[in-house]
Amino acid sequence: ELKVEQNPLFLSMQEGKNYTIYCNYSTTSDRLYWYRQDPGKSLESLFVLLSNGAVKQEGRLMASLDTKARLSTLHITAAVHDLSATYFCAVALTEKLTFGTGTRLTIIP
Amino acid sequence: EPEVTQTPSHQVTQMGQEVILRCVPISNHLYFYWYRQILGQKVEFLVSFYNNEISEKSEIFDDQFSVERPDGSNFTLKIRSTKLEDSAMYFCASSLRTGGRETQYFGPGTRLLVL
Repeated sequence: ELKVEQNPLFLSMQEGKNYTIYCNYSTTSDRLYWYRQDPGKSLESLFVLLSNGAVKQEGRLMASLDTKARLSTLHITAAVHDLSATYFCAVALTEKLTFGTGTRLTIIP
Repeated sequence: EPEVTQTPSHQVTQMGQEVILRCVPISNHLYFYWYRQILGQKVEFLVSFYNNEISEKSEIFDDQFSVERPDGSNFTLKIRSTKLEDSAMYFCASSLRTGGRETQYFGPGTRLLVL
C-alpha cells in the first residue's frame, strides 16, 4: 500500500525566510503533484512533476522530484504572508491520487 | 478559465437518509473523481469514473456509495444511507486524460454533515 508522508506537519515561519517541505513516499512513482488548500477551500494545483530530477518554479515556490529517493521537496523562498495555507503532496500510481498528510504553513509578519 | 463546480456547498442530513452530491466537471474532461476530506485530515480517494463506468474505487467506496453520469454534464455521488462517519468535505475532480499524468482539477467541495 502506498504511503505518503510529509514533514513537518506544522510550520510557522517569519516573512522573508526560506524553508523546505518534504514529501516521502513508499512506492516508486514518477508522478507527483503539489496542491495548496486555504482554510475551508478547495485544492489548487501548484505543480506536476513527471520525471526524475524534475524541477518546477512559480514565484516563491519551487518543487523538485527525486524518484530514486522517493522524495519531493517544496521550497519556499523569502516567504510572504500570502503563502500561508496547507500544502499537500500527492502521488499517483494508477488513476487515483494518494495524498500526504499536509503541511500547515503559517507566515508570521 | 473553466472550473469544476459542485452543488450544494453545504448539506445537513439525518443519519440513514440518502444524499446526492452533484458536480459539473470541466467540459472537455473525460475522467472524473470523488475524494473526501474529514475535518482536519488528509484527502482520501473514493472513486474514479470513465466512459460511464467505475475504473477504480477505494475500500471506503462500499455498497452505500454509487456514482452516475446522468447526462452529458453532471456527475453525481449518492450515499444511500448516511452514517455519522460520512460527515466530511466531498470534492469532485476531473482531468482530461488519465494515467496520472494529467492534473486533476478540484471543485470547491460539498460539506456534508450527518446528524
